[in-house]
Amino acid sequence: SAVISQKPSRDICQRGTSLTIQCQVDSQVTMMFWYRQQPGQSLTLIATANQGSEATYESGFVIDKFPISRPNLTFSTLTVSNMSPEDSSIYLCSFPQPTGTYNEQFFGPGTRLTVL
Amino acid sequence: GNSVTQMEGPVTLSEEAFLTINCTYTATGYPSPFWYVQYPGEGLQLLLKATKADDKGSNKGFEATYRKETTSFHLEKGSVQVSDSAVYFCALSALGFGNEKLTFGTGTRLTIIP
Repeated sequence: SAVISQKPSRDICQRGTSLTIQCQVDSQVTMMFWYRQQPGQSLTLIATANQGSEATYESGFVIDKFPISRPNLTFSTLTVSNMSPEDSSIYLCSFPQPTGTYNEQFFGPGTRLTVL
Repeated sequence: GNSVTQMEGPVTLSEEAFLTINCTYTATGYPSPFWYVQYPGEGLQLLLKATKADDKGSNKGFEATYRKETTSFHLEKGSVQVSDSAVYFCALSALGFGNEKLTFGTGTRLTIIP
């Protein structure tokens, strides 16, 4: 299976600043997803990022707040802009990869963000 | 849209006890259910899945049967171990192909005591 890494693994940031999270995969993948896991809650999809096209955002998430880049088939970034304490979450990237006749989604280890 | 309802936690069991974590869903079309597990300090990983009705997924002693008539995918294990302590998430893929977004339940934190 492919290996997926994220940087940073955790960070503590001040209100009003921005943080860019990197997601690196060791093989080429067409589709990537960015999820948010708020404290004590489930994972919520932020956006779908396909290489060569604009990211598609889910209801409640906007590009100005969470800009995403997808410069190639192995890399993506998610920026959390103008942060507030409500943005404190774990952010995860994932991608589907064929396993047999099906696609399995693989997740990165996550970036734990704390906003003060 | 789709939704997943998962048994609330936390759940604490003694070693060798029987485990059930309930999961039901609402969805349109032909969804596929999954169980993901998040061990302490590690990333989310697939535990088991089912691709069609009445399929039974199994892995590491865990089982779950996809019951379309009750829209359920309950996770079971006959004898839990301390190493099973983790957070378990039920999830749903809308179209069943695995390359769409996943809808997750709230997660159930399981602690097994020796």
